[in-house]
Amino acid sequence: DADVTQTPRNRITKTGKRIMLECSQTKGHDRMYWYRQDPGLGLQLIYYSFDVKDINKGEISDGYSVSRQAQAKFSLSLESAIPNQTALYFCATSDLQGREQFFGPGTRLTVL
Amino acid sequence: QKEVEQNSGPLSVPEGAIASLNCTYSDRGSQSFFWYRQYSGKSPELIMFIYSNGDKEDGRFTAQLNKASQYVSLLIRDSQPSDSATYLCAVMGAAGNKLTFGGGTRVLVKP
Repeated sequence: DADVTQTPRNRITKTGKRIMLECSQTKGHDRMYWYRQDPGLGLQLIYYSFDVKDINKGEISDGYSVSRQAQAKFSLSLESAIPNQTALYFCATSDLQGREQFFGPGTRLTVL
Repeated sequence: QKEVEQNSGPLSVPEGAIASLNCTYSDRGSQSFFWYRQYSGKSPELIMFIYSNGDKEDGRFTAQLNKASQYVSLLIRDSQPSDSATYLCAVMGAAGNKLTFGGGTRVLVKP
């Protein structure tokens, strides 16, 4: 089984809808991250969490919120989706040193 | 100016040749530097990391770091078609709490 899983893998939704993307990990890592990827822009950090009680904004947090339900679970929500949030979203985890991040398979989100 | 910059490519190299990728960064306090490989439609995977000035070799890959000039490079020797991918440079800032990624360089290795 994959160490970092994301659900759903693909989602098409309409403008104004609330969307939740979920991430689970079995690596036992404390640190978890949400990124979005647009063509040619690499990975942009949305939010990150170092433990259940710790949530931090990344570079592009506007329009997004997160919830760290447990050490193994980190969810990303779009309260009111808009078309420019169409992107590929990745969840990642790392140990306390943060030297290597392990990525989930990604969720392709399309907002119409 | 972006914090981490890479040439988007594509960098086209013949099979068996050396592919040379460059990355510059703006935060002089950056501590650690990483190269991730991402195949089309897949998630990034770590291939190299380097912390100290100089070269670090791992198989066909060599990472080079020059903190004074604020650049890090990746050499791929004996390039293979399976090396065709996008290579992402990532930098750990002085606070040591998150990575900043460059836009990636697309590499095409032609048989």
